[in-house]
Amino acid sequence: KNEVEQSPQNLTAQEGEFITINCSYSVGISALHWLQQHPGGGIVSLFMLSSGKKKHGRLIATINIQEKHSSLHITASHPRDSAVYICAVHNTDKLIFGTGTRLQVFP
Amino acid sequence: DGGITQSPKYLFRKEGQNVTLSCEQNLNHDAMYWYRQDPGQGLRLIYYSQIVNDFQKGDIAEGYSVSREKKESFPLTVTSAQKNPTAFYLCASSGTGLNPGELFFGEGSRLTVL
Repeated sequence: KNEVEQSPQNLTAQEGEFITINCSYSVGISALHWLQQHPGGGIVSLFMLSSGKKKHGRLIATINIQEKHSSLHITASHPRDSAVYICAVHNTDKLIFGTGTRLQVFP
Repeated sequence: DGGITQSPKYLFRKEGQNVTLSCEQNLNHDAMYWYRQDPGQGLRLIYYSQIVNDFQKGDIAEGYSVSREKKESFPLTVTSAQKNPTAFYLCASSGTGLNPGELFFGEGSRLTVL
């Protein structure tokens, strides 16, 4: 069993829909990251969380430390949100990655 | 502007040759990482370093080598011993400890073995 599990693996949506991507982990962490990878391959950091909730524009990330679970929400989704979204956790001295959720938003 | 720079972006290699991928950061980060990504798969850790002159093997270190002689630099050598080196390679950096801070990634290096 992977130490970081994401669901769903693939997600399609119509423009404007509310989207949720989930991440569960089984190890102790000091921080959790949500990352976005576009088709060209580059990865950008969206959020770093150690507790609670963060919001940036249409993106919201939450984390429940007791349940070892985090969610990434996208409100009013847009085709430019199409990308792979990756959850990663900081565990002691290294990062552990989920396998990613591929999101496609159609107009 | 602070950031992390990988080079080259594309690299072609003949079988039996070693190649070195460069990763430089000016973020004053202690931790640096090398990952490999294959089509349809997640990132797999090759090597990581928490401090200058020290580095640790990741999950798939065989056939790779690294050095960390300077805080800013963490080059990765793909040796001829790596049986399937064609892949997309990503370098990342962060702080360390209980508050590691944001993760930064390079643009990636795509290696193709001919």
